[in-house]
Amino acid sequence: SAVISQKPSRDICQRGTSLTIQCQVDSQVTMMFWYRQQPGQSLTLIATANQGSEATYESGFVIDKFPISRPNLTFSTLTVSNMSPEDSSIYLCSASRGENQPQHFGDGTRLSIL
Amino acid sequence: SQKIEQNSEALNIQEGKTATLTCNYTNYSPAYLQWYRQDPGRGPVFLLLIRENEKEKRKERLKVTFDTTLKQSLFHITASQPADSATYLCALDIKGGSYIPTFGRGTSLIVHP
Repeated sequence: SAVISQKPSRDICQRGTSLTIQCQVDSQVTMMFWYRQQPGQSLTLIATANQGSEATYESGFVIDKFPISRPNLTFSTLTVSNMSPEDSSIYLCSASRGENQPQHFGDGTRLSIL
Repeated sequence: SQKIEQNSEALNIQEGKTATLTCNYTNYSPAYLQWYRQDPGRGPVFLLLIRENEKEKRKERLKVTFDTTLKQSLFHITASQPADSATYLCALDIKGGSYIPTFGRGTSLIVHP
């Protein structure tokens, strides 16, 4: 199984600033995803990070707010832009080796906005 | 609309007993179903995958059943241990649609010594 390293593990940010979260996989994977999880809630998919092209965003999430990069098959970043207290959440990166395959998750970034 | 339902109430059981968690879904035709474990402050960890043409799958003390008629999966942990205490999430793939699984909210399991 793939090992996912995500950083930072947590951060406290000021309103209006931006934070970039990094996700590194220890081997090449086909698919990488970004999720958001509120305490006690389900995982909500933000977008699929596509290697070499623009990410595919889910309904309710837009590129201007959550720009995503995936320069190669092992690395992706998610930026949370112009943060507000409503963006306080846990952000999780995951990777999968293909369709119908399990997902492997990082331990998430716990983000608090003051 | 499509929905995945897991019991929001925590399941409390005694060590050594079998824990049974339920995942119900509506308006899906999943190609398969997955179960994950999530500990506090950690990301979900994949446990088992069962396909639509499989009735049951086992892995050590874990057993998953999949009833596409009832639209339900049961997740069993036999001889439960306090270390099994965690939140368990089910996730479904929609056949003919997105291959990305949709996750339920999870059920918290607490195993008492």
